[in-house]
Amino acid sequence: GENVEQHPSTLSVQEGDSAVIKCTYSDSASNYFPWYKQELGKGPQLIIDIRSNVGEKKDQRIAVTLNKTAKHFSLHITETQPEDSAVYFCAASMPKAAGNKLTFGGGTRVLVKP
Amino acid sequence: DGGITQSPKYLFRKEGQNVTLSCEQNLNHDAMYWYRQDPGQGLRLIYYSQIVNDFQKGDIAEGYSVSREKKESFPLTVTSAQKNPTAFYLCASSIGREGQFFGPGTRLTVL
Repeated sequence: GENVEQHPSTLSVQEGDSAVIKCTYSDSASNYFPWYKQELGKGPQLIIDIRSNVGEKKDQRIAVTLNKTAKHFSLHITETQPEDSAVYFCAASMPKAAGNKLTFGGGTRVLVKP
Repeated sequence: DGGITQSPKYLFRKEGQNVTLSCEQNLNHDAMYWYRQDPGQGLRLIYYSQIVNDFQKGDIAEGYSVSREKKESFPLTVTSAQKNPTAFYLCASSIGREGQFFGPGTRLTVL
């Protein structure tokens, strides 16, 4: 089955700096890659996603890039703010996966220091 | 106001008890999912359902059971066979090839 590795597990940045989280996946058939943000005690919130026919996608201060050849994708947060502090999860899904199943990475705890 | 609701927010179980976690969605989504999250870890799939009256085991289904009698509802029962049930349980739903949307979660603690 699919395996998703996520790095780093923790990331501390100064407010205003950029944060980058990287994920690798094992199955080249995966074609959908969402990113989730989870605040303490809450459910994950979908913040951005990308499909395999696109190399990059941006939404205000966040962007995701995908390198299908290398089987890795990254989340970029620019001009970080304290409210960006949370745990971020990447995930991958294959086109023939029954029920649109997602395989999640282990998560990255991001701390933005004021 | 569309969304996914989970109840209760906190649940306490005694040894040997079965407990049921509720998940309801009014998004008209076909598929629903249950995940377990342990402290500092990612999400692991317990069960999922693509349509009413049909569901499949995920990666860690042992000790859990589900039903899908209505499109809007996907309750999860944690049985006494689940030896380490203390965790944060998350329900999600999706439609087509869109991403999954999560509920607020239920924190289950074994006393």
